[in-house]
Amino acid sequence: AQSVTQPDIHITVSEGASLELRCNYSYGATPYLFWYVQSPGQGLQLLLKYFSGDTLVQGIKGFEAEFKRSQSSFNLRKPSVHWSDAAEYFCAVAVGGGADGLTFGKGTHLIIQP
Amino acid sequence: DAGVIQSPRHEVTEMGQEVTLRCKPISGHDYLFWYRQTMMRGLELLIYFNNNVPIDDSGMPEDRFSAKMPNASFSTLKIQPSEPRDSAVYFCASSLERASGANVLTFGAGSRLTVL
Repeated sequence: AQSVTQPDIHITVSEGASLELRCNYSYGATPYLFWYVQSPGQGLQLLLKYFSGDTLVQGIKGFEAEFKRSQSSFNLRKPSVHWSDAAEYFCAVAVGGGADGLTFGKGTHLIIQP
Repeated sequence: DAGVIQSPRHEVTEMGQEVTLRCKPISGHDYLFWYRQTMMRGLELLIYFNNNVPIDDSGMPEDRFSAKMPNASFSTLKIQPSEPRDSAVYFCASSLERASGANVLTFGAGSRLTVL
């Protein structure tokens, strides 16, 4: 079965600094990969997804992620964070295009320092 | 579109009571998923439906949990009897299967359940 590891439970970044959130997956073939963001008391919002093709994908709110097959990773990046980026970030993997649901990592809590 | 709509947003009940959570998926979506989120276990898939038919309920914790989807625009997740360990946020999500296999889940805002 597929699995997702987000090694960082909490990350603190200064406003305006760059951000990288790590995600590693375990799956035999090329998976479908997603990043979702959850603000306090809210549902999950899709930031970006990778299905095939260009390994660098662009998402909403200035986020991007890079799929690296050799490292089984799909790290999320942003060149300059804003205070409004403080939230919980989830990496997820799916097989079958997500028709059988997503497997989520435990999440990374992003704290933005002024 | 109004997105995935869940009700109630918050529910506080006492142990032993029946709890019913409701979900209205996005119109036209043919998949519906129920997830549970807790601090300890993160996001867990409980059950999902395709065209109103339950496909995989292996994530349902035990017989106290049941889910139905009587039509394409409505689903319920019921817990009877409820226990304190059921306290969690329950999310409903829907998606549309595409020929490319590029399913993308859209989540509701969640129902926060507290069982005293």
